[in-house]
Amino acid sequence: GAGVSQTPSNKVTEKGKYVELRCDPISGHTALYWYRQSLGQGPEFLIYFQGTGAADDSGLPNDRFFAVRPEGSVSTLKIQRTERGDSAVYLCASSPQGGANSGELFFGEGSRLTVL
Amino acid sequence: AQSVTQLGSHVSVSEGALVLLRCNYSSSVPPYLFWYVQYPNQGLQLLLKYTSAATLVKGINGFEAEFKKSETSFHLTKPSAHMSDAAEYFCAVSLKAAGNKLTFGGGTRVLVKP
Repeated sequence: GAGVSQTPSNKVTEKGKYVELRCDPISGHTALYWYRQSLGQGPEFLIYFQGTGAADDSGLPNDRFFAVRPEGSVSTLKIQRTERGDSAVYLCASSPQGGANSGELFFGEGSRLTVL
Repeated sequence: AQSVTQLGSHVSVSEGALVLLRCNYSSSVPPYLFWYVQYPNQGLQLLLKYTSAATLVKGINGFEAEFKKSETSFHLTKPSAHMSDAAEYFCAVSLKAAGNKLTFGGGTRVLVKP
């Protein structure tokens, strides 16, 4: 597809379970970003990849959250021992070159996570 | 570190009236500034961006924004609102040195009355 693709679009899970959210960026984009958007708030930065490596993970709230991008394309956000407070829309975005272009990020439609 | 403040979480305008959404930023160095729009059940879409060229920036759907360094502002305007402008609007700032990581404001939801 031409845009950023995120799966699943909706995920309902129980407290304490493990969850994986997938992001497929625009082909050729080297930078990939994860954000979290809680109801009524703006998106909050979680982590940023440049290629395969996490260039900035300062937004990850705690060690239950982890993200990987092993081949520099698809990324997976992993949440262990989910809590009700993790309920939010998780947004993925990509960019042609994270530090060298004019800064526009291209967003997917998000994965809505509900923890019961 | 940079930050963004959007004044007013909700704005109601009549169709055909001026739309004005306020955004103030804080940054230690000249930033890039953006306005994104989020329609119901859709992803964030770029409206316009300021990247140190012209201070008056024109975007899609008739929107424009003016960068005012002295006021640290980047307010968004549209002369005449359409029903299709009903959405949530986010102002955001990024720094090239920080990998273009966007910091968003809290958003302003726009309601357009017929």
